[in-house]
Amino acid sequence: AQTVTQSQPEMSVQEAETVTLSCTYDTSESDYYLFWYKQPPSRQMILVIRQEAYKQQNATENRFSVNFQKAAKSFSLKISDSQLGDAAMYFCAYRGPNTGNQFYFGTGTSLTVIP
Amino acid sequence: NAGVTQTPKFRILKIGQSMTLQCAQDMNHNYMYWYRQDPGMGLKLIYYSVGAGITDKGEVPNGYNVSRSTTEDFPLRLELAAPSQTSVYFCASSYAGQGLGDTIYFGEGSWLTVV
Repeated sequence: AQTVTQSQPEMSVQEAETVTLSCTYDTSESDYYLFWYKQPPSRQMILVIRQEAYKQQNATENRFSVNFQKAAKSFSLKISDSQLGDAAMYFCAYRGPNTGNQFYFGTGTSLTVIP
Repeated sequence: NAGVTQTPKFRILKIGQSMTLQCAQDMNHNYMYWYRQDPGMGLKLIYYSVGAGITDKGEVPNGYNVSRSTTEDFPLRLELAAPSQTSVYFCASSYAGQGLGDTIYFGEGSWLTVV
């Protein structure tokens, strides 16, 4: 099984500021996808952003962007202009072709946004 | 647009009772999954299925059973409920074709308490 590590159990950010959530993973595969999911208090899992390993360009979705460092096996999420609605648990996930197309999730980072 | 539908949303069981969590998806996804999420923790895979008639164990299968008689349905059976099975259960589905970028879709979760 692949290992996905989120080393920050909790993070906080002032409203309108920028925060970066860390994720590292372990794999021997060359092509794979990485995802960030948001889980607000409602517990609904929401896709935030995804990145294909073969793509050099970092993915962006509005205020959300990633810093993908393939050699370092690092996939951090940057949230700009943080809003109160960004407060949630964030999960990093990995999906590869030789691991049964499974999604492997990290343990999550709880983000608090301070007004 | 139903997506992944789980029932029931809340349930209280007594120790030793059994129950089935129902899950259905209408997206014609071949992969379906059951995860559990303990308070403050990440997602742990219980069972998954790559298609009708095929199921396989995940990380924490003990105390559970599944079946996949149709593409749409993937019920999770809890036998002889124990307090350790108190958790939030998520059913999910995804498409595993030639591309890995398809995301995983989650149901809204089922809160189960064993007393």
